[in-house]
Amino acid sequence: DQQVKQNSPSLSVQEGRISILNCDYTNSMFDYFLWYKKYPAEGPTFLISISSIKDKNEDGRFTVFLNKSAKHLSLHIVPSQPGDSAVYFCAATLPNRDDKIIFGKGTRLHILP
Amino acid sequence: GAVVSQHPSRVICKSGTSVKIECRSLDFQATTMFWYRQFPKKSLMLMATSNEGSKATYEQGVEKDKFLINHASLTLSTLTVTSAHPEDSSFYICSAGPRDEKLFFGSGTQLSVL
Repeated sequence: DQQVKQNSPSLSVQEGRISILNCDYTNSMFDYFLWYKKYPAEGPTFLISISSIKDKNEDGRFTVFLNKSAKHLSLHIVPSQPGDSAVYFCAATLPNRDDKIIFGKGTRLHILP
Repeated sequence: GAVVSQHPSRVICKSGTSVKIECRSLDFQATTMFWYRQFPKKSLMLMATSNEGSKATYEQGVEKDKFLINHASLTLSTLTVTSAHPEDSSFYICSAGPRDEKLFFGSGTQLSVL
């Protein structure tokens, strides 16, 4: 059972426009959500996170929105830049000692010139 | 910021040999480190949780005798792929983080078994 779902395997966006990456989850106990960015042959790098007690977190061009009632979060990138082309992983953690992180399958973002 | 160092970044080995991958936390102590494996077109799969001073906790389906984990200090965890075979070829990533803060990932190790 996949607890964190990224239903769009890929997304293409024109440079300068807004990129919106979506993520759905099934476990209402998740207390922390994270987005990671991954370039080919590299490990994922942390991008932005949001606690379940918030509904929005902004960091420069990146904003994450959390809708707990819908069990949905999204990552907005504006304006999109060529260097944003990568795979984006949505992840979630549970409030226990393991800090176990559960990833979605990722969405490949293509920024078009 | 916190950094997790992983090496080697790439290793090519013959079938039947053992390969050791190191994961170090550079500016924080990590009582727990995580080892992941990535399959093509799939998400990162958690293999095991490495606990300093005790046995690692393996996820279901992961062979503990195949993937040996040693967390000998608060800054170092190692993953040894024993008697590697071509099906073990994959991208292995470790992660760790200060308690209650975001996780940081190592740069990953691309293992190719010939």
